[in-house]
Amino acid sequence: DAMVIQNPRYQVTQFGKPVTLSCSQTLNHNVMYWYQQKSSQAPKLLFHYYDKDFNNEADTPDNFQSRRPNTSFCFLDIRSPGLGDAAMYLCATSRSQETQYFGPGTRLLVL
Amino acid sequence: GEDVEQSLFLSVREGDSSVINCTYTDSSSTYLYWYKQEPGAGLQLLTYIFSNMDMKQDQRLTVLLNKKDKHLSLRIADTQTGDSAIYFCAERAGGSYIPTFGRGTSLIVHP
Repeated sequence: DAMVIQNPRYQVTQFGKPVTLSCSQTLNHNVMYWYQQKSSQAPKLLFHYYDKDFNNEADTPDNFQSRRPNTSFCFLDIRSPGLGDAAMYLCATSRSQETQYFGPGTRLLVL
Repeated sequence: GEDVEQSLFLSVREGDSSVINCTYTDSSSTYLYWYKQEPGAGLQLLTYIFSNMDMKQDQRLTVLLNKKDKHLSLRIADTQTGDSAIYFCAERAGGSYIPTFGRGTSLIVHP
């Protein structure tokens, strides 16, 4: 019954070593989002895809990239992770302007 | 700009009612949401309310909206230890599909 799936749930990487986080959905929603959430903070939107159109938030660092090869999958690439990138990364989906549904998140640790 | 404010902590005794409050500034808010986040997990949609409604009830949950004061509350009746989590308030305007989240209220339920 899982609707928004994120893999892995926990990811450990080394400082500067590229890492890719994965999100997939079975809802056939046309919008997919990536959020970064640090402790005791609100989720911060990094970017989103509206269909195939990529929308980057103005303050998202260039270190963060995303790919959406098809409707079901979306990837978050961190090219050179720094210690400050350690966080929970949340994927969400929605049907256009309707409610967002979130995945369980990937906890990223940078050593 | 848009802003959503919540108190950071709430402590209640098991069996009592919990009331989590939220204020927002965007007068064009059309949809208001409550999400629940358990430790190490993603955001789970609890309920939402349209701005033309004053109240919505769903089992133990009651949402009250005071549009004039831009105040939203979530009441949890007969609070249980399983209700311990962080509760996020979020709002979005009708013309937008990107919600604005508050920082979350950590609900602690003690025996």
